[in-house]
Amino acid sequence: AQSVTQPDARVTVSEGASLQLRCKYSYSGTPYLFWYVQYPRQGLQLLLKYYSGDPVVQGVNGFEAEFIKSNSSFHLRKASVHWSDSAVYFCAVSATPNNAGAKLTFGGGTRLTVRP
Amino acid sequence: EAAVTQSPRNKVTVTGGNVTLSCRQTNSHNYMYWYRQDTGHGLRLIHYSYGAGNLQIGDVPDGYKATRTTQEDFFLLLELASPSQTSLYFCASSDWPTSADTLYFGSGTRLTVL
Repeated sequence: AQSVTQPDARVTVSEGASLQLRCKYSYSGTPYLFWYVQYPRQGLQLLLKYYSGDPVVQGVNGFEAEFIKSNSSFHLRKASVHWSDSAVYFCAVSATPNNAGAKLTFGGGTRLTVRP
Repeated sequence: EAAVTQSPRNKVTVTGGNVTLSCRQTNSHNYMYWYRQDTGHGLRLIHYSYGAGNLQIGDVPDGYKATRTTQEDFFLLLELASPSQTSLYFCASSDWPTSADTLYFGSGTRLTVL
């Protein structure tokens, strides 16, 4: 079985600062990794995903994530945050790319607050 | 963009009450899901379905029933609600195999069981 740990429940940064949200997964096979974002009063939206190839994947709104197999990590980064990035970010892992949702395991989420 | 609509947005009931949460998706996706979101636990899958009349058990099904009446509509039923079921509930859909790896979420229903 797979699991995901997001060690930081809350992160606060100033607008314009760089950002890293941490994600560690546990899975013995090949993981398929996702980041979802939840803006206030909305459902989750897919930010980016990683299946294979280049370990750095680009997402929407300037976000990127890097898959480091040796560290079982898939941290999310952004070079310069904007106040509108304030949201809850979820890391997720699946055992297959064709998970149809049923095999997607979510982490506990990180609430990001961007100070103006 | 897939549209997933949940109702009601908020619901308050008492212990032992009967609650139905509704979800409708308008993009003809075959898969639909019900999740609950609790602080520190992320999202946990309650039930899911791959078509009308089908129901699959998720990871935390106890105390919940679900029914998929049409391709568009998926309902979550709490027949004897308990305070432990106070949570934020999300419905989601996905389209297998076209975009099976992407879930489209509704805006959620906040349920409070007193």
